[in-house]
Amino acid sequence: QVQLQESGPGLVKPSQTLSLTCTVSGGSITNGSYYWGWIRQPAGKGLEWIGHIYTSGGTKYNPSLKSRVSISRDTSKNEFSLKLTSVTAADTAVYYCARCMMWIGWFDPWGQGTLVTVSS
Amino acid sequence: DIQMTQSPSSLSASVGDRVTVTCRASQTINTYLNWYQQKPGKAPKPLIYAASSLQNGVPSRFSGSGSGTDFTLTISSLQPEDFATYYCQQSYSTPYSFGQGTKLEIK
Repeated sequence: QVQLQESGPGLVKPSQTLSLTCTVSGGSITNGSYYWGWIRQPAGKGLEWIGHIYTSGGTKYNPSLKSRVSISRDTSKNEFSLKLTSVTAADTAVYYCARCMMWIGWFDPWGQGTLVTVSS
Repeated sequence: DIQMTQSPSSLSASVGDRVTVTCRASQTINTYLNWYQQKPGKAPKPLIYAASSLQNGVPSRFSGSGSGTDFTLTISSLQPEDFATYYCQQSYSTPYSFGQGTKLEIK
């Protein structure tokens, strides 16, 4: 079965770039039936879709973050990555990666999540 | 952008109760509506996709219905492990969006 695991620094300074990687096991990120996405959740709050990357390598981002976010992939490592620039305290959240089923847009499965704190 | 509104925001119920959570979209989304369950400190767990299709392994006491703008998640007989926060999510168009969540608590 497919499993996802986030990794990256847990602490990022304001104005710097947040970088996370999602390693996928049990399935290929080039499988044509899925997108690969990022979702975040500030403490005690709801879920926010950040964006996803298609099997073609194309991307789609939340307009609220579009100028600061990029998602890329490394097919040789079967992983995809998130970069968020010019971070502020408002970007402090648990970041999840997840597989998104094409045409349905349903996130399954999810990684366990990783907390990223933006603080000096 | 499509806004998703859940009601109630919180709900107290007892084991064995039947409970219903409502999710309303700001515009029609056909049946592009998914439900997740989240427990503290854990990732969301997929429950229902395409408004009414149950994920493999999810107990049959969970059910979903609706189309257009109004959707419901029903738990027919609450079990202790069902106390959690539930989120709806529209996948009709990007940016995908989630409801604010419904916290189901033990009465």
